[in-house]
Amino acid sequence: RKEVEQDPGPFNVPEGATVAFNCTYSNSASQSFFWYRQDCRKEPKLLMSVYSSGNEDGRFTAQLNRASQYISLLIRDSKLSDSATYLCVVNPGLEYGNKLVFGAGTILRVKS
Amino acid sequence: NAGVTQTPKFQVLKTGQSMTLQCAQDMNHEYMSWYRQDPGMGLRLIHYSVGAGITDQGEVPNGYNVSRSTTEDFPLRLLSAAPSQTSVYFCASSDRGIYEQYFGPGTRLTVT
Repeated sequence: RKEVEQDPGPFNVPEGATVAFNCTYSNSASQSFFWYRQDCRKEPKLLMSVYSSGNEDGRFTAQLNRASQYISLLIRDSKLSDSATYLCVVNPGLEYGNKLVFGAGTILRVKS
Repeated sequence: NAGVTQTPKFQVLKTGQSMTLQCAQDMNHEYMSWYRQDPGMGLRLIHYSVGAGITDQGEVPNGYNVSRSTTEDFPLRLLSAAPSQTSVYFCASSDRGIYEQYFGPGTRLTVT
């Protein structure tokens, strides 16, 4: 089983739609969680951290479910510019050297 | 600030050749790392460094060497290129390894 698993998509949605991605992680001791965004043929960039209480940044909401070991990203009122690959990233903890583990990504395509 | 820079952007090598991928950052970050990204897979950690003079292996270190003589520079050396090393290589830096990583633009390497 991969340490971090994501549905690769693609998710094809119209402008204005709400879309949600889930990501599961295998290590229950994982310490911290992030969503990164990667545009086509570009480098990944941090979109948002994911906190236990959930957090929101404009149209983006991230949530963590430790019991079920998954994190989610909700995008409301999708824009064409949201088209990208969204990477789920997990820090498995000190036992694994406090390094980040990246999921393979979920592709989002927003169409007009 | 230039952030994280990588050279070259593209490279084609023949099997058995060696080369060095350059990475530099001007943010005075202690933590630097090298990843490779292959289709359908998450970014995989090759080597990382927590400060000048300190390096350690990541998930896929075989066939690669690194050194960290200064805070700013973290070159990745391919010892004897193989077709399996065809990939996109990203260098990243962070002021704390488990938090936001800033990526360079990547190097697309093809080994024939």
